[in-house]
Amino acid sequence: DAGVTQSPTHLIKTRGQQVTLRCSPKSGHDTVSWYQQALGQGPQFIFQYYEEEERQRGNFPDRFSGHQFPNYSSELNVNALLLGDSALYLCASSQFGGAFPSGANVLTFGAGSRLTVL
Amino acid sequence: GNSVTQMEGPVTLSEEAFLTINCTYTATGYPSLFWYVQYPGEGLQLLLKATKADDKGSNKGFEATYRKETTSFHLEKGSVQVSDSAVYFCALRRSDNAGNMLTFGGGTRLMVKP
Repeated sequence: DAGVTQSPTHLIKTRGQQVTLRCSPKSGHDTVSWYQQALGQGPQFIFQYYEEEERQRGNFPDRFSGHQFPNYSSELNVNALLLGDSALYLCASSQFGGAFPSGANVLTFGAGSRLTVL
Repeated sequence: GNSVTQMEGPVTLSEEAFLTINCTYTATGYPSLFWYVQYPGEGLQLLLKATKADDKGSNKGFEATYRKETTSFHLEKGSVQVSDSAVYFCALRRSDNAGNMLTFGGGTRLMVKP
């Protein structure tokens, strides 16, 4: 049973560029969330997608955007990259458990995409 | 706002030693509390959880009790193994629930020596 898969594993960009990260959720999951984990810190919530719509958003600027496709996979886009965007980007999937907001659904995390901005 | 504070690492123990990793939180109401573990090169894995006061979560010999009076959720294990070496994250989900929005602590690295 495949878990959450993310691509690419590593990538290097320069300031001002744009990046797209991809995520395939665990089989049977329909909700995808993205987190940013800076080196030596805990993950920070970026946003969550369900039914192809952004449902919740953390404290991140509009340079961070996303998309969810009909097959539940998701993309994270970051525009106008800054040095401070260098981090591990984690995708987490879950099975929607009811009307928003809903209970303690278990998240399954991918191994992440490590972005370095030079 | 919501926040989670963990003891700073690294925590270095010998095999079979007793482990405690402290975690305290700030949140309104009754959040759900979690411990996640991150092994090198892997994603975070849920270790255990508790959804109401006095609940005890347990898994693989690890335990944590939700203490509302001290706003704590300390992780314990009676006898650690080398394979437990990893980074441990305490996290909360607001009681008014924010779906999959978890607030994480900064993580505590555990190193277990043979």
